[in-house]
Amino acid sequence: DTGVSQDPRHKITKRGQNVTFRCDPISEHNRLYWYRQTLGQGPEFLTYFQNEAQLEKSRLLSDRFSAERPKGSFSTLEIQRTEQGDSAMYLCASSRITGIMAVVTNEKLFFGSGTQLSVL
Amino acid sequence: TQLLEQSPQFLSIQEGENLTVYCNSSSVFSSLQWYRQEPGEGPVLLVTVVTGGEVKKLKRLTFQFGDARKDSSLHITAAQPGDTGLYLCAGPPYGGSQGNLIFGKGTKLSVKP
Repeated sequence: DTGVSQDPRHKITKRGQNVTFRCDPISEHNRLYWYRQTLGQGPEFLTYFQNEAQLEKSRLLSDRFSAERPKGSFSTLEIQRTEQGDSAMYLCASSRITGIMAVVTNEKLFFGSGTQLSVL
Repeated sequence: TQLLEQSPQFLSIQEGENLTVYCNSSSVFSSLQWYRQEPGEGPVLLVTVVTGGEVKKLKRLTFQFGDARKDSSLHITAAQPGDTGLYLCAGPPYGGSQGNLIFGKGTKLSVKP
């Protein structure tokens, strides 16, 4: 069973350009998360999907950010008009939930290796 | 806003020494998780603690959840160079999804041979 796969591993772009990252979760995992991690900080939650539905978005996710998970499998995260402050590691994680949302406990997240974004 | 504060921020020790790192909050968490992250990689889940006062062991690692569920500690016995990494604690915010985690800034551990 392969782990969570993220592509690309590294991305260098110029300010103002658009970038798109892809995440392939572990097979049969129905939840998919996006986090952002800057140097010296822990990961910060951005958004998550259950199957194809985007259920929660952080206030960190400005209008320039959009995430999709069209068929409930892979997901993409697009950043439009990148800014230098967008430079970070973008992490994807997936999990498999079998219970009702309100009674889910002990959810186990499996993280990918991340996409390191540098905006020049 | 719920925060998790980790201490110390950095720790450098010799192989064979014992160490404890801490994760503290002024808020109650329904559960806390500990992760280890290596440079250029994503965090890897080590353990989840759910019950106040709970102690879990994973080989040389001992995790404890405070009675009031506001703090946790990780104790490593006889540290080895392979234990080197960033140790992160994380927990779900009140009313949030279990996977919408608040992370601490981590403790960067270096174990020298």
